[in-house]
Amino acid sequence: EVQLVESGGGLVQPGGSLRLSCGASGFTFSTFWMTWVRQAPGQGLEWVANIKQDGSEMYYVDSVKGRFTISRDNAKNSLYLQMNSLRAEDTAVYYCVKDHPWGYYDYWGRGTLVTVSS
Amino acid sequence: EIVMTQSPVTLSVSPGEGATLSCRASQSVNSNVAWYQQKPGQAPRLLIYDASSRATGIPARFSASGFGTEFTLTISSLQSEDFAVYSCHQYKRGKTFGQGTKVEIK
Repeated sequence: EVQLVESGGGLVQPGGSLRLSCGASGFTFSTFWMTWVRQAPGQGLEWVANIKQDGSEMYYVDSVKGRFTISRDNAKNSLYLQMNSLRAEDTAVYYCVKDHPWGYYDYWGRGTLVTVSS
Repeated sequence: EIVMTQSPVTLSVSPGEGATLSCRASQSVNSNVAWYQQKPGQAPRLLIYDASSRATGIPARFSASGFGTEFTLTISSLQSEDFAVYSCHQYKRGKTFGQGTKVEIK
């Protein structure tokens, strides 16, 4: 059974940092692209960043470029999102997502809530 | 960026009735559309991929169709566990989602 479990969310002040983690199991983690998707309160889902199987390619939504860094550790079956210079508009539930090779998302975690507020 | 617009925002349905949800893309995405179900506190679940293919384990009461810019998700005879938020997703160019349709009990 595929499982994705996020951790690391919480309350942080504007300008602060957080590191989200996602532990994966039930599939060969190193052979799939992985993605972070977020959902702000009352809003739709938003793609944030994704990373290639070997970590050699990463892509970001414009609003987080230069502030967020996605990474992975295939030996630990883990995905990460380092979030710096956080803003109120980054407040959201962040989901760890497994990419299907055809482009859609076949498995999601339950999410971790990040709240940016003073 | 391809904008996905869902309608209606909220759909009130009685258990046992059917529901039809719509999703419109701002430009053609061929059949590169998926649908997800979201319930509070749970992981979103893939229902449909490639516009009309049911994901593994999804009941036959869920069906979908569409190509290009117009897409539809149909739930026949709603069960209690089907009341949730449904989101469409295009993966033709980049990755964008609709705002979601909440299916609530009437």
